[in-house]
Amino acid sequence: KQEVTQIPAALSVPEGENLVLNCSFTDSAIYNLQWFRQDPGKGLTSLLLIQSSQREQTSGRLNASLDKSSGRSTLYIAASQPGDSATYLCAFRGSNYQLIWGAGTKLIIKP
Amino acid sequence: DVKVTQSSRYLVKRTGEKVFLECVQDMDHENMFWYRQDPGLGLRLIYFSYDVKMKEKGDIPEGYSVSREKKERFSLILESASTNQTSMYLCASSQGVSGELFFGEGSRLTVL
Repeated sequence: KQEVTQIPAALSVPEGENLVLNCSFTDSAIYNLQWFRQDPGKGLTSLLLIQSSQREQTSGRLNASLDKSSGRSTLYIAASQPGDSATYLCAFRGSNYQLIWGAGTKLIIKP
Repeated sequence: DVKVTQSSRYLVKRTGEKVFLECVQDMDHENMFWYRQDPGLGLRLIYFSYDVKMKEKGDIPEGYSVSREKKERFSLILESASTNQTSMYLCASSQGVSGELFFGEGSRLTVL
């Protein structure tokens, strides 16, 4: 059974630091992987979609990488800001097109 | 920008009431989805639709039904609301079976 794991479950860092969030998956037959952020009580905002043929995608201060061989995706946030505080979720899409969700990493950026 | 709009952000209903949650997307996406999100359980797929008048059960369809009469609109129906349906409901849409998923703001439903 495909599993998606996000470690750590929570992370608190001072403002300005660069940080990495991790998403691990057990099935190497990946179609794509999507990163989202969710603010408390709100819906999910799409951050980056990375296809299986890609190694990374960038949007502003965010960079997502994909390593199929190790079953891992990372979301790199540069120069973190208090506004980056949110829960970050990854969603794995396998060859059957079904989405498997990670439980999320709750990120707090301290001013 | 893709916009997915959920008609109600907060609802309070009584047990046994019929509840309609409406979702509209403005990007002509083929696929629409309804999820519920609960603490400790994450996101769970209730129903999805690949086309007008077409619907497929997700992981937890019991107690729910859906309607897709127009491409842009996907409705979730709770025929007889129960307290265990108190949850955050999230609508999403995508183009194609593997396209980027876009979510609405969510509807927080409380059933008393």
